[in-house]
Order: sequence, then C-alpha cells, then structure tokens
Amino acid sequence: GESVGLHLPTLSVQEGDNSIINCAYSNSASDYFIWYKQESGKGPQFIIDIRSNMDKRQGQRVTVLLNKTVKHLSLQIAATQPGDSAVYFCAETGGATNKLIFGTGTLLAVQP
Amino acid sequence: GAVVSQHPSRVICKSGTSVKIECRSLDFQATTMFWYRQFPKQSLMLMATSNEGSKATYEQGVEKDKFLINHASLTLSTLTVTSAHPEDSSFYICSARDLGTYNSPLHFGNGTRLTVT
Repeated sequence: GESVGLHLPTLSVQEGDNSIINCAYSNSASDYFIWYKQESGKGPQFIIDIRSNMDKRQGQRVTVLLNKTVKHLSLQIAATQPGDSAVYFCAETGGATNKLIFGTGTLLAVQP
Repeated sequence: GAVVSQHPSRVICKSGTSVKIECRSLDFQATTMFWYRQFPKQSLMLMATSNEGSKATYEQGVEKDKFLINHASLTLSTLTVTSAHPEDSSFYICSARDLGTYNSPLHFGNGTRLTVT
C-alpha cells in the first residue's frame, strides 16, 4: 500500500490558541486535497477540502492553505478547543488515479 | 450527510481462521470503495480499490489471495482476511465515494479492530 512516512509528529497547544498543522504532499499531479480528523478508535472524519485551482479555503474555525509550488498544505484551527485533540491527516488525490493517499498525520494535543 | 457503516467494529479470531468485514454505504451508492489498513500510530495505508461488479485492484505488496474483496452491489463491499495470522492484527477501515462524483471527499466507516491470537 501507499503511505507517506511512519512517524506521528505531535503538536501541543494551549486551549484558545490557534493551531497550524502542516503537510507535504508527494504527487505534483494531485489536484484535490482533503484534511481529515481521526479520533482514537474511529475512522477519519472530513474537515475541509481544497482543489488545486485555489490556494485558500475557509470553513468554520478552520482554514486550509495550498502552496502548489512547494507541494505544501496547511490546516489552521482557530481558538483550539479540547475537543480538537485528535490525529489530523492530509490526503491527496488526482492525476491518473482515483485513489486517496494519506500523509503522515499529526497528533494535536490541546492543553486546558 | 453520507454514512458508511462498517461491521464488526471489533473481532478476535484464532490464527488460521478467516474473518469477513462488511462495509455498507447507507444513504448513497458507491461504484468504488476503498480498503485501508492502519497500524498503531501510523497513517492509513491503501490496500485495495473495490469496484462494483468487477475485480478489486490491489496495491503493491498486498496479497489478493489473502485479502479477498467482493463488491457485489452499489452499497456493499466485503473484505475477508483468509487464514489470519497475528501479523494481520490491525485496524481495517473502508471508505466510499458517492456515485457520479469526482473529486469529492471519501466517507469513512468507523473501522474494524482485528486481533488474531
């Protein structure tokens, strides 16, 4: 199977602070990107997506930024809450394949 | 929103036996479903793409005779782990995309925790 990396970086933030989670994607042909949140023992939950013809998209308390030049994706969470504690994955798809490939993941730990 | 149901959520089996995992799209039809495997503190690794009415497409390194996939209808795909061994213990997650959509989010089931003793 395909995946990127075997480590799980951790980001620790204080409740109320803004969080920024970064992701480097692998395929320059990818044209659609998604951020997922995964809580322990559950499947990934959709947060926000962005297409390659955009460089920024905002949702409720979340913003995704896409930099195609350096193949970088970021997820910004405003006013982070304890309920935001989870593992966050970026995923990419596009090009000749319909497959969704996941990045390494980042564990977000929100301190009260 | 679109719901994917996966069953069972947990299963413990003895080495050498087979286990079937079901993945259903409850309120939409899915031509394609995807099966992932996730080891602790790691990312989701794509195992295979399940296509309704045809053979599944397996990723490199995934044994098709060990992980049997059947996608008999637009709302059901099954993954059977045959002759399971302890190294097959993992979290298996299925996902599906709504029929006719392109570049839309995959909807995920809540996973199946398989433990082989």
